[in-house]
Amino acid sequence: AQRVTQPEKLLSVFKGAPVELKCNYSYSGSPELFWYVQYSRQRLQLLLRHISRESIKGFTADLNKGETSFHLKKPFAQEEDSAMYYCALSGEASGTYKYIFGTGTRLKVLA
Amino acid sequence: DTGVSQDPRHKITKRGQNVTFRCDPISEHNRLYWYRQTLGQGPEFLTYFQNEAQLEKSRLLSDRFSAERPKGSFSTLEIQRTEQGDSAMYLCASSFVQGANTGELFFGEGSRLTVL
Repeated sequence: AQRVTQPEKLLSVFKGAPVELKCNYSYSGSPELFWYVQYSRQRLQLLLRHISRESIKGFTADLNKGETSFHLKKPFAQEEDSAMYYCALSGEASGTYKYIFGTGTRLKVLA
Repeated sequence: DTGVSQDPRHKITKRGQNVTFRCDPISEHNRLYWYRQTLGQGPEFLTYFQNEAQLEKSRLLSDRFSAERPKGSFSTLEIQRTEQGDSAMYLCASSFVQGANTGELFFGEGSRLTVL
């Protein structure tokens, strides 16, 4: 079964501390992995995707196929990083593409 | 283009009534998705379209739910005989896909349904 697991509902860190939001997935095949973010009073938007291998707003995520993980990391958290973060996967399954989202992790960066 | 727009933003209805939501995707996008989100949960897949063809509908979705995208542009999601359990945020997203590229999802602001 296709599944995305985000074990932490809430993660609180102090400004300047490192951040790691965990994401594990279950998928038969080669999925594409994403992180979406929702800031307060804004719509869901893409933060980054694994195939681009970019660092966006200081965040990076590495796809580990052996551990089926796609953890999101930032070395120094900023207050403006406070938001809901959703890990998602997509890929061909039964001939169709759909995106499956995790339950999300709320990141609170404390001053 | 102002992005994906959804209407209405908020709908309050009595149990048993029918409701319809509309989604206008980004104009050049060929895929359109509907998701449902309840408190504390991530977006739950409902259905998606490639142009006007509905390619998949969630097996968990009741027959009371139906979606259309008649001309491959805007889409409607109708819920018949609403139940209190249908109360949720209904999200629409669109993407442009060519070949094997999965495409970035662009979300609307959502339509919040409250069933009394």
